[in-house]
Formats: sequence, C-alpha cells, structure tokens
Amino acid sequence: NAGVTQTPKFRVLKTGQSMTLLCAQDMNHEYMYWYRQDPGMGLRLIHYSVGEGTTAKGEVPDGYNVSRLKKQNFLLGLESAAPSQTSVYFCASSYSHRDRAHVGQYFGPGTRLTVT
Amino acid sequence: GENVEQHPSTLSVQEGDSAVIKCTYSDSASNYFPWYKQELGKRPQLIIDIRSNVGEKKDQRIAVTLNKTAKHFSLHITETQPEDSAVYFCAATLYGNNRLAFGKGNQVVVIP
Repeated sequence: NAGVTQTPKFRVLKTGQSMTLLCAQDMNHEYMYWYRQDPGMGLRLIHYSVGEGTTAKGEVPDGYNVSRLKKQNFLLGLESAAPSQTSVYFCASSYSHRDRAHVGQYFGPGTRLTVT
Repeated sequence: GENVEQHPSTLSVQEGDSAVIKCTYSDSASNYFPWYKQELGKRPQLIIDIRSNVGEKKDQRIAVTLNKTAKHFSLHITETQPEDSAVYFCAATLYGNNRLAFGKGNQVVVIP
C-alpha cells in the first residue's frame, strides 16, 4: 500500500513551458486535492475533486488545470509556466466518512518545481 | 471564505516543557479541525484531529482542545522532545465539509 504518490519529485521549467504533475492514490479515496506551499503562506488549495470525472476550483486556480479521469489519479497541468508558479506542490486525498463528516487528508511527498 | 489564523508564528521551548499553539477560525459552520506536523523537506502528516461535538481529545503527549463559542482550538504538546521540532499547521472545514482551510503554520523549536 503506497498511499499517495507524486511524480516527478523535482522539475525545472523555463517560462512558457508546460508540464503535468501526476498524483496517484491506492486507498480508494473519493476526494483528491492539489495544494501549493510557499514560504510563510501555508498550504493553499489550487483545485480539488470530489469524485471521478469532477473537479472544482480552489483558492488559487489561475494558471492551472486539472483532470480526474480515473478515481486513483489526479493530474495537475501548467499550460504556460511562470516564475510565480515556483513552489512545492502537494497532492492529498481523503475518503468520505459514513455520515459525510470530513476526515483527515493524506498527503503525497511533494513536487518541487522551479520556473526560470 | 474561511479564515484560519495561527499564533504564535514561532515558538521555542526547552526540552521537557510544554508547547501550546492556538488557532482561530471564522466560519461558525466549521465542524472538523485537524492538526498537521511537517518536518523539514517532508510532507504534512496528520497528528490529531477533533470534531465540533467534542471539547478535548488526547493522544499520548499531544492533545487538542476546542472552544466553539470563541471559535478557537489549540494544540498542546507535553514533555517536548527534539523530534517535536517541526512546523505545525491547523485547519478547519469549509464549504460543506469537503475542503479544508489551513493556517500559515507555526515553527516549533525544541531546545535540547
């Protein structure tokens, strides 16, 4: 049971390049999330998904797109990278409690992205 | 939207002493409050959580208390050890329970 995994671990992009970050979970969780973490800013939600085929915007969605074609995978895309997108990106997943109360999110190891 | 604030931003304690981190939240509908620990270069890990129908929860040396009236909750770490040095994030649910709003984090430094 690998939990939540992310690929790649590190990446350097030039301004204007595109890339896709992959998040995979093997816990059969319904909910998946993408966060970015910047010094002094905590964790900010980019996009999230409450189930296969559904996505929604979070707190800082501009410049990113996501897809959830399979329940276990959640992809984060940067169409035209900008230096402001230099950050550490974390994926997380959680399941739906039987009474629909929230439960804790499990995080992946992170992807460190630098845009020059 | 939900606003979660943590105080203090940095906390230094002597090994063996207690550490307390307080968070305040703005949405009175929030009903779930987890705490995460993040060591340098690692992922955030859930260490304890509390629901709005409970006032206190303990797990060995850590405990969380919730005051719904005042809209604040606190993390208590007793008998601190060097391995407790980390950044601690609090969070609260918003928008129908499928999202969390995170505080900006507290750096806890345990001095041997």
